[in-house]
Amino acid sequence: QVTLRESGPALVKPTQTLTLTCTFSGFSLSTSGMCVSWIRQPPGKALEWLARIDWDDDKYYSTSLKTRLTISKDTSKNQVVLTMTNMDPVDTATYYCARILGSGSYPYFDYWGQGTLVTVSS
Amino acid sequence: DIQMTQSPSSLSASVGDRVTITCQASQDISNYLNWYQHKPGKAPRLLIYAASSLQSGVPSRFSNSGSGTDFTLTISSLQPEDFATYYCQQSYSTPWTFGQGTKVEIK
Repeated sequence: QVTLRESGPALVKPTQTLTLTCTFSGFSLSTSGMCVSWIRQPPGKALEWLARIDWDDDKYYSTSLKTRLTISKDTSKNQVVLTMTNMDPVDTATYYCARILGSGSYPYFDYWGQGTLVTVSS
Repeated sequence: DIQMTQSPSSLSASVGDRVTITCQASQDISNYLNWYQHKPGKAPRLLIYAASSLQSGVPSRFSNSGSGTDFTLTISSLQPEDFATYYCQQSYSTPWTFGQGTKVEIK
């Protein structure tokens, strides 16, 4: 059974760095073809893809946020970590992690975490 | 970046109605198109991947047509549990991008 769970602070101050952890089970990020992404949704707005990390440690980022994002993995702990620097109130959103299947052909998000709401406010 | 444009942004429909949502890519994405259903407070749910493959467990009333730049999600007979927001997403090239969403509301 595949599960993912996001964790991190519910409230951060402007200019601070946000660190979110995705802890998953039911699959391994050391398996060829396996990938995990982060996606966010500001209140009342659309889903926005943020970053992706692959089993071979390849990394991909949103064009508009790539200078602020870092994605990493700890295969032994079944975790993927996203850091976002210089947080701003516009970064207030629910942050999701999701597993990617089909990376060798037609990739898609098949399992998602429940999301964690991060509010940026002083 | 590839832009994904959905229409309409919202619609009102009744149970039993046939509903169509369109998604247009700013460039040819072949069949690298996925559809998700999202309800408030819940994780998004994969409906269709690779433009035409129905995810396991998803009712057959959901289908997609199109390839290249123009796609259409069809719900053949809207059910009460289908009231939600629907997103298309391209996985042709990173950065991956979502459409702005279509909210399906009860008429």
